Amino acid sequence: DTAVSQTPKYLVTQMGNDKSIKCEQNLGHDTMYWYKQDSKKFLKIMFSYNNKELIINETVPNRFSPKSPDKAHLNLHINSLELGDSAVYFCASSPLHGYNVLTFGAGSRLTVL
Amino acid sequence: AQTVTQSQPEMSVQEAETVTLSCTYDTSESDYYLFWYKQPPSRQMILVIRQEAYKQQNATENRFSVNFQKAAKSFSLKISDSQLGDAAMYFCASLTTQGGSEKLVFGKGTKLTVNP
Repeated sequence: DTAVSQTPKYLVTQMGNDKSIKCEQNLGHDTMYWYKQDSKKFLKIMFSYNNKELIINETVPNRFSPKSPDKAHLNLHINSLELGDSAVYFCASSPLHGYNVLTFGAGSRLTVL
Repeated sequence: AQTVTQSQPEMSVQEAETVTLSCTYDTSESDYYLFWYKQPPSRQMILVIRQEAYKQQNATENRFSVNFQKAAKSFSLKISDSQLGDAAMYFCASLTTQGGSEKLVFGKGTKLTVNP
């Protein structure tokens, strides 16, 4: 039973399109995150949500819009895709005080042609 | 801003030998947490070990242990009796608090190769 699940795992699309990545966690965690891993494997936080409320927005272009319908879901919608958006996007979750551990999803590889 | 530096882009080790991966960090917080994550080719991020900064004792998980030097802001990972399955990218990370939410700040990673 997957703790943090992301769909789709792979996504290939053309520049200018709009796409979404979905994330769901069944751990009962209060906080969810989106991280981006670029082609050099560097991981950087994009957003975090506490119980559906946006807490961290790490200077991400406004083409990226996260949406949290409830605390178990955090979706990422990307408008007008650009070549530089090609990356692996990781969803993660943690208890409210995440100094325990972040649990990551398996990642979604987005390729923009 | 919190930063994490991994100075070794790549390392290799013979199977059954010991290898140490380096990590230094910079933080202004008095209480913080440090982590090592492993990312095998499957892409999954797997927690290897965690260290609370207020604990002087170095964390250990089976063949994995850390050398935590708080004054030097150093947090190295030692892998003993290396196995082929240890081959992966290893990321050092520190946990920082921002706006009431924690976030992990990662180093750039070290690619570990295990030679048979």
